[in-house]
Amino acid sequence: DAGVIQSPRHEVTEMGQEVTLRCKPISGHDYLFWYRQTMMRGLELLIYFNNNVPIDDSGMPEDRFSAKMPNASFSTLKIQPSEPRDSAVYFCASSFGLRNEQFFGPGTRLTVL
Amino acid sequence: AQTVTQSQPEMSVQEAETVTLSCTYDTSESNYYLFWYKQPPSRQMILVIRQEAYKQQNATENRFSVNFQKAAKSFSLKISDSQLGDTAMYFCAFTFWDQGAQKLVFGQGTRLTINP
Repeated sequence: DAGVIQSPRHEVTEMGQEVTLRCKPISGHDYLFWYRQTMMRGLELLIYFNNNVPIDDSGMPEDRFSAKMPNASFSTLKIQPSEPRDSAVYFCASSFGLRNEQFFGPGTRLTVL
Repeated sequence: AQTVTQSQPEMSVQEAETVTLSCTYDTSESNYYLFWYKQPPSRQMILVIRQEAYKQQNATENRFSVNFQKAAKSFSLKISDSQLGDTAMYFCAFTFWDQGAQKLVFGQGTRLTINP
């Protein structure tokens, strides 16, 4: 398996633009997680899905953030409109079961100018 | 509140030395799992070791071992015979259940540098 795949690896955009981050989890995993990492706040869990259904989105910072998982092999995290303070590395991770290891993707480094 | 504290922002040791990274956590839960993740410069997050809170025996994975002190809520990571490839950010984390949903909390991380 190729592991968790994220695209793009780097994204530079201007304030106010819509940003869509993509994730393909490991085949067979039933949980998918979105994280954000910044120097100030460390690693934060934004939202996670079980069998494509959002379970806990309490970590989503604002209504500007939304996440979807239309099928077992694809998820998106959208920011609309983007702001400079959204600049961070966004990780997607997947696991089989809740208590097992989460496999992280390489992350998307987002810069909002 | 469920929190994880890593009190050492940075550490540096010589190759082949043993190093211990500290982690303390605060939770009122009795059933939880603890993790150490490694994040090398490539940014990939890699699980180093996992400990179930109900197990008294400390987990070990090759050169990596933990000292789990449940009463003290301490979960330190020991790296023996350190190697240059161990240079990375190390994150302590734990999972717990909150109103039917799993939560995962990470510490701020410790930047470990192994010097040749």
